[in-house]
Amino acid sequence: NAGVMQNPRHLVRRRGQEARLRCSPMKGHSHVYWYRQLPEEGLKFMVYLQKENIIDESGMPKERFSAEFPKEGPSILRIQQVVRGDSAAYFCASSAISHPGYEQYFGPGTRLTVT
Amino acid sequence: DAKTTQPNSMESNEEEPVHLPCNHSTISGTDYIHWYRQLPSQGPEYVIHGLTSNVNNRMASLAIAEDRKSSTLILHRATLRDAAVYYCILRDYRTGNQFYFGTGTSLTVIP
Repeated sequence: NAGVMQNPRHLVRRRGQEARLRCSPMKGHSHVYWYRQLPEEGLKFMVYLQKENIIDESGMPKERFSAEFPKEGPSILRIQQVVRGDSAAYFCASSAISHPGYEQYFGPGTRLTVT
Repeated sequence: DAKTTQPNSMESNEEEPVHLPCNHSTISGTDYIHWYRQLPSQGPEYVIHGLTSNVNNRMASLAIAEDRKSSTLILHRATLRDAAVYYCILRDYRTGNQFYFGTGTSLTVIP
């Protein structure tokens, strides 16, 4: 059973470029969550999506960040016009059920470096 | 959201049991207690979770105080691979969409 897959694992972008991070959830999981981890900090929730729908984006910055989870294909976290402060590890998690008594399974992360 | 308090760091000798404490004095009756760990340069890994009763799985045991205001993650025999940051997280229907990760406990295992 493949776990949650994320690519690329490492991404380098210059200031002002766009970054696209991909997440393929575990087989059978239709709930996807994105988190960001700044250096030396804990993970911070960004957005929760079900297929084709954004359910909770309360942790997403208001500008430059967007997320989608199309009917076919991986979930995408898109960061436009990246700045140095966007440098972080971005983790995707998936679950079969969105219920507080169920666990989320995390991917290995994408480490974004903005130069 | 209900907060958790964990020690910043702990040490354990290899092959000895480890008890990682977590205080959650403002826990509500519907909060589940989840534990995750994060090895260096990896994504968080699920360890165990429970609601009211103690729980055991192949990785660890979770002991929940009778008043639920604290819990303890027990690793029965620490190995070098258990060196990680351990997060104690409360989750209920209000925060059901997400996990709130604090700073966790950094566990060092001494060979």
